[in-house]
Amino acid sequence: GAGVSQSPRYKVAKRGQDVALRCDPISGHVSLFWYQQALGQGPEFLTYFQNEAQLDKSGLPSDRFFAERPEGSVSTLKIQRTQQEDSAVYLCASSLGQGGQPQHFGDGTRLSIL
Amino acid sequence: AQTVTQSQPEMSVQEAETVTLSCTYDTSESNYYLFWYKQPPSRQMILVIRQEAYKQQNATENRFSVNFQKAAKSFSLKISDSQLGDTAMYFCAFTDAGGTSYGKLTFGQGTILTVHP
Repeated sequence: GAGVSQSPRYKVAKRGQDVALRCDPISGHVSLFWYQQALGQGPEFLTYFQNEAQLDKSGLPSDRFFAERPEGSVSTLKIQRTQQEDSAVYLCASSLGQGGQPQHFGDGTRLSIL
Repeated sequence: AQTVTQSQPEMSVQEAETVTLSCTYDTSESNYYLFWYKQPPSRQMILVIRQEAYKQQNATENRFSVNFQKAAKSFSLKISDSQLGDTAMYFCAFTDAGGTSYGKLTFGQGTILTVHP
């Protein structure tokens, strides 16, 4: 079956622009996670959805970051008024449930802010 | 807060040889899960192996096995019969089994593994 799909694969934006990153999880997966990965580093947690409910947004670095999953499937991560420090790879992962369920990752979106 | 430490930024191994990647973690939880993920240059994070903390038996997946030492909070990955396709960045990751973590992963800094022909 299809894996986690993320689009676009690459995004270049000018500082101050708004961007939207899309994640299409594996069908039937209840849990959806967003991570931010700086170059050469391990991913860091941003936010978590259980179906359409955003249960944890403790990792979002500022109020410029916003995520939604309105119908419990596709999710969008939006960054407003982008800054150079937002440049990173944004990874989406989905899993059947919580706890120790294995997470399946997409290919990520590489965001570059000029 | 949980922390995961990978002390080897880079490792190399000859094809067909065995290599061990190290990982230590810190937590006050008694029940949790540990993972090794592989990230090749294509960027997709691929699950290699998973260990449940309450299981004493070390997990194995074909050429991949772990040495889980709960008291020492150590979780190393052994790759046997290394292949060129094993070249990648390897991440150790932790999640607790309940509470309000919801399964979010805490990752180490990663180890770049290069397999030489």
